[in-house]
Amino acid sequence: GENVEQHPSTLSVQEGDSAVIKCTYSDSASNYFPWYKQELGKGPQLIIDIRSNVGEKKDQRIAVTLNKTAKHFSLHITETQPEDSAVYFCAASHYNQGGKLIFGQGTELSVKP
Amino acid sequence: GAVVSQHPSWVICKSGTSVKIECRSLDFQATTMFWYRQFPKQSLMLMATSNEGSKATYEQGVEKDKFLINHASLTLSTLTVTSAHPEDSSFYICSPKDSYTEAFFGQGTRLTVV
Repeated sequence: GENVEQHPSTLSVQEGDSAVIKCTYSDSASNYFPWYKQELGKGPQLIIDIRSNVGEKKDQRIAVTLNKTAKHFSLHITETQPEDSAVYFCAASHYNQGGKLIFGQGTELSVKP
Repeated sequence: GAVVSQHPSWVICKSGTSVKIECRSLDFQATTMFWYRQFPKQSLMLMATSNEGSKATYEQGVEKDKFLINHASLTLSTLTVTSAHPEDSSFYICSPKDSYTEAFFGQGTRLTVV
């Protein structure tokens, strides 16, 4: 089955700096790669996603890149702000599995003012 | 985005009792419902998948007789933790999905068994 590895487990940056979180996946049939932000005591919130027919997607300060050959995808947050502090999860799924998501281990991002 | 309502947000129960968690999709029809469990400082682990009107499919290691899932309608699914024990204390999250979009997530339920 699919396995998703996420690094780093913790990341501390200064406000205004960029943050990059990386994930690798094992199943080459996976075709959907979302990123979630989870604040303490809350459910995950989708922040950006990418499908396997696209190499990059950007939404304001957030971007995701996908390298299908290497089977890895990354989240880039620019101009970080203290409110970006949260736990971020990557995930992967394949439509033949009915949308079941396999999550990475999570990255705790801390943005210091 | 879609509106998902999960209740209760937190619950404390005595060991040996049962707890029911509700998940409602308020503005779309959830043909599929995923239930996840998350222990502190850990990732989300899929417990089971259910399709409306069908029996749930449980992931390996998840006891189907302990975690009862009902998905009788397209807008409501419930997870009942039966004979709860302290090791069942966790954060439970529902994730409804319709046929056209990706899954959404509920706010989560913090279960503490004492």
